[in-house]
Amino acid sequence: EAQVTQNPRYLITVTGKKLTVTCSQNMNHEYMSWYRQDPGLGLRQIYYSMNVEVTDKGDVPEGYKVSRKEKRNFPLILESPSPNQTSLYFCASSLPPGLAGSAEQFFGPGTRLTVL
Amino acid sequence: AQSVSQHNHHVILSEAASLELGCNYSYGGTVNLFWYVQYPGQHLQLLLKYFSGDPLVKGIKGFEAEFIKSKFSFNLRKPSVQWSDTAEYFCALYNFNKFYFGSGTKLNVKP
Repeated sequence: EAQVTQNPRYLITVTGKKLTVTCSQNMNHEYMSWYRQDPGLGLRQIYYSMNVEVTDKGDVPEGYKVSRKEKRNFPLILESPSPNQTSLYFCASSLPPGLAGSAEQFFGPGTRLTVL
Repeated sequence: AQSVSQHNHHVILSEAASLELGCNYSYGGTVNLFWYVQYPGQHLQLLLKYFSGDPLVKGIKGFEAEFIKSKFSFNLRKPSVQWSDTAEYFCALYNFNKFYFGSGTKLNVKP
């Protein structure tokens, strides 16, 4: 089954304790992306990756890191989480956006993060 | 910078009523536009997309959207909503490798 998986689905942590949220897709998609969803703000793109070893900042990259060592995986790293990073996080993947009129993003189930 | 605005934050309709959700974007060049839906407890799914050609785009579940370049708008419509359309709807724009989402519109359909 084609899907995007994220782990963990729920996480409660404390300020400053490094954490990683994993994202994996099995559709051989080049483009992957991380978003945070906050009430009244919709989804905001944190980082995206056009392909392996190619990553770039989205609209709200501060406090986050990513890596893309393999095509299927795109982990999100919070080196020193703070309470303002409490949010619902989504990973998504797609074929290269803008090419062949595609770019339908497939979203993972979300990770609800609480930073105390 | 590009942005997407959805002015209707919360819409309540009765079943069989017609729906129109507004979406405006700020970029003046070529744009790729999307509507996504998030049903309660589920992740986002694509409803429809516009890249070029016919400005009236048809999507799944009877939804359609019209791209009006002169108004920078991409409004979502459905002639007759059902209770199962209760969800949050997001308009999105893709440009220069990035996606920009609106703040979302929560639709409640009363049976």
